[in-house]
Order: sequence, then C-alpha cells, then structure tokens
Amino acid sequence: DAMVIQNPRYQVTQFGKPVTLSCSQTLNHNVMYWYQQKSSQAPKLLFHYYDKDFNNEADTPDNFQSRRPNTSFCFLDIRSPGLGDAAMYLCATSRVGGRETQYFGPGTRLLVL
Amino acid sequence: DAKTTQPNSMESNEEEPVHLPCNHSTISGTDYIHWYRQLPSQGPEYVIHGLTSNVNNRMASLAIAEDRKSSTLILHRATLRDAAVYYCILTPNSGYALNFGKGTSLLVTP
Repeated sequence: DAMVIQNPRYQVTQFGKPVTLSCSQTLNHNVMYWYQQKSSQAPKLLFHYYDKDFNNEADTPDNFQSRRPNTSFCFLDIRSPGLGDAAMYLCATSRVGGRETQYFGPGTRLLVL
Repeated sequence: DAKTTQPNSMESNEEEPVHLPCNHSTISGTDYIHWYRQLPSQGPEYVIHGLTSNVNNRMASLAIAEDRKSSTLILHRATLRDAAVYYCILTPNSGYALNFGKGTSLLVTP
C-alpha cells in the first residue's frame, strides 16, 4: 500500500512557466518534507512543515514555495522554473524526533525545456 | 550538524557479506545514527538506525563503535537488489530533518 504518493512521476514544463508538484500521505505524520535531488547528487532539503509551521532552509531560493492545506497533502510550487531547477523532487514524511524514520515517495522528475 | 564520512564506492560479490563503514567523529551524545539507501530511480528508503547499542533488523545490522565515532552497516548476504547508494546520517534527538552526505555507492556483482 502506497504511503507517500507523488504526482505526477514525470513533469515537463517550460522555462519560466509555473509548475506545481503534489504529495500526499496516508501515515498521518506531523512532518512533511521536500527535497531536491539533482543528477548524481544527494538529496537536499528545501523546506519542511511541522504541522502547519513552515520551515525554510536558508539557501532555498525564493522561487520555491510550498503549501500544506491539511495533514495529508503538501505542494511544491516553482514560480519561474529555470534550467537549473531540473531535478528529482522528493517528498517525505515522519513523526517528530531524531529517532523517527522518514518515509519517502517515489519522486517527481522535473524537466525544464 | 555533525558530519559523516563514507567511502565513495564499494563492490561486493553476490551472497557475500558487506560491511559499509561510516565515520562521524563529531557526533554528539544525543545524535541518532540512521542509514538509508536509494535504489536507482527511487526515493530513499530507511534501512536501520541506532543510538548506542548494535541493532539488527530484517534488512541489516548496525554495529556502533563504543566511542560512537564510527559505525558499520552490515548486509549479511548481498543480493543484486542491494545495489544502491547507502547514506549514513546523524539526526539530533530534537530534530528530524535528514542532512544527506554523498553516501556510498554499492555495486553487487554476480
């Protein structure tokens, strides 16, 4: 049974055209994360939500925004995608605490033309 | 955040044990040691975690040095499906975000 679902799996957008990636979870976890993973690199945390509290990483570009309308859903909005934003975007969830496991979705691969 | 150091790559024969090392000399007393792996074209998946004692689960074992400055992930019998990038990550007890390092790319050959 899928626990963290990401749609779509592949997304093609044009340079500068806003795009939204979606994530949903069936685990009822407090925390939801968005990671960016470029080719041959490790995942990099963009931001996370602890319940409704939004926590942005210091080096996340302003071009990236997020929304969490309820516990189950979280969205990643890229306002004006550039060629450098082409990457795999990973959503994850967890309970709170350093010993808690993060559960990842399969990712959405974004291509910017 | 405390950092980890892992070899860039390792190779193993199928059905042989694999020992993946991780150094974390600046670990603090409340940092958990987590291991995740990422198979090609998939999201990372949890493997195992520990604090001070060695841990076993159905996927692997985690051996933690007495001074906690290093740990080793042990795959008891590597299969081709274990070929992945393995990440060793420290998380503080009060935190929850994962700070991924470069990880170790494990190649398993028949």
